[in-house]
Amino acid sequence: NAGVMQNPRHLVRRRGQEARLRCSPMKGHSHVYWYRQLPEEGLKFMVYLQKENIIDESGMPKERFSAEFPKEGPSILRIQQVVRGDSAAYFCASSPFAGTELGEQYFGPGTRLTVT
Amino acid sequence: GENVEQHPSTLSVQEGDSAVIKCTYSDSASNYFPWYKQELGKGPQLIIDIRSNVGEKKDQRIAVTLNKTAKHFSLHITETQPEDSAVYFCAAPGAQTGANNLFFGTGTRLTVIP
Repeated sequence: NAGVMQNPRHLVRRRGQEARLRCSPMKGHSHVYWYRQLPEEGLKFMVYLQKENIIDESGMPKERFSAEFPKEGPSILRIQQVVRGDSAAYFCASSPFAGTELGEQYFGPGTRLTVT
Repeated sequence: GENVEQHPSTLSVQEGDSAVIKCTYSDSASNYFPWYKQELGKGPQLIIDIRSNVGEKKDQRIAVTLNKTAKHFSLHITETQPEDSAVYFCAAPGAQTGANNLFFGTGTRLTVIP
């Protein structure tokens, strides 16, 4: 059973460009979470999605950031007009069930975004 | 939201010794406490978790204890090996948001000296 897949693993963007990060959950998992990790810090929750629905986006900046999890294909985290402060590692996690008390979250290898 | 504090930030032990990492949380409604191990350049790996209906859980050399009254939980690694060297994160759910997400501690960098 393949784990959570993320691509690209490394992404370099100039200020003002768009960054598009992809996440394919583990087989059988329909719950996807995106987290951001700044250097030497813990992970910070951004958004939680189920297929075709955004359930909780309380951790995601209101501007420039968006996420989707279509019926077919991977979940996408999109960052428009990137700024240097967006440089971080972005991790996707998937879970077989809703709610942390039932569904353990399994993380992908992350996408390391560098904005120059 | 939940506030998770983790100590120490760095920990060095001799191979074969034990390592203990402690976390406290603020939301008394939290009921699930996972621990993750993150190696350099990789994603966090779930190594053990505990739910609030038990006080201790053990898996080979790794154990987690939970004190709900004091709102703290700890990771214990016995007979440490060099491959245990990594950054360890504790986490607790954000109960106020319907437990959809995890709040992470700031991490403990464990170094096991051969």
